[in-house]
Amino acid sequence: AQTVTQSQPEMSVQEAETVTLSCTYDTSESDYYLFWYKQPPSRQMILVIRQEAYKQQNATENRFSVNFQKAAKSFSLKISDSQLGDAAMYFCAYRSGIYNQGGKLIFGQGTELSVKP
Amino acid sequence: DAGITQSPRHKVTETGTPVTLRCHQTENHRYMYWYRQDPGHGLRLIHYSYGVKDTDKGEVSDGYSVSRSKTEDFLLTLESATSSQTSVYFCAISESVDPRETQYFGPGTRLLVL
Repeated sequence: AQTVTQSQPEMSVQEAETVTLSCTYDTSESDYYLFWYKQPPSRQMILVIRQEAYKQQNATENRFSVNFQKAAKSFSLKISDSQLGDAAMYFCAYRSGIYNQGGKLIFGQGTELSVKP
Repeated sequence: DAGITQSPRHKVTETGTPVTLRCHQTENHRYMYWYRQDPGHGLRLIHYSYGVKDTDKGEVSDGYSVSRSKTEDFLLTLESATSSQTSVYFCAISESVDPRETQYFGPGTRLLVL
């Protein structure tokens, strides 16, 4: 079975600084996607970024980028130029590329990010 | 935003009572999911549906049942609510199981079982 682990329950960053959230996962599959979701106080789940396991190039979306280390099964999220609106719970998630898995997402425990002005 | 609504948004109930949560989508997506969110656990899959009347269990399905009689509606039922089912429940939809497809989430339902 696949597992996702976020070992940092809480993180804090100064506004305009850079912060990295950690995520590790375990799987025996070769075809999968990894995601970071943001959950602000509104509770809405917002997709931040995704990474395909077959792609060596790290995904980037504006101020958000990932460091995907496939051999180490590590998938960290870097937020540059942190803004007050980045304060939220962040979830790392795994989705199998095997279609009979039903497309379900497997989530980590979450990291609560606070941004200090 | 994907057209997903959940009802009710908040509910307080007593132990032993039945509870039904509704997820409604306007996207005509085939796949629908129910997750629960608890501190320290992230989101965990309860049940999912891959078509009308086609459902399967997830990681934490004990004490829950689901039904899908129409493409747009996916119901989650707690037959006899327990305090351990106090949680925030999220519905999600996806057009297919292709992992390149984004899974969209509803706004969540906060359930308190006293």
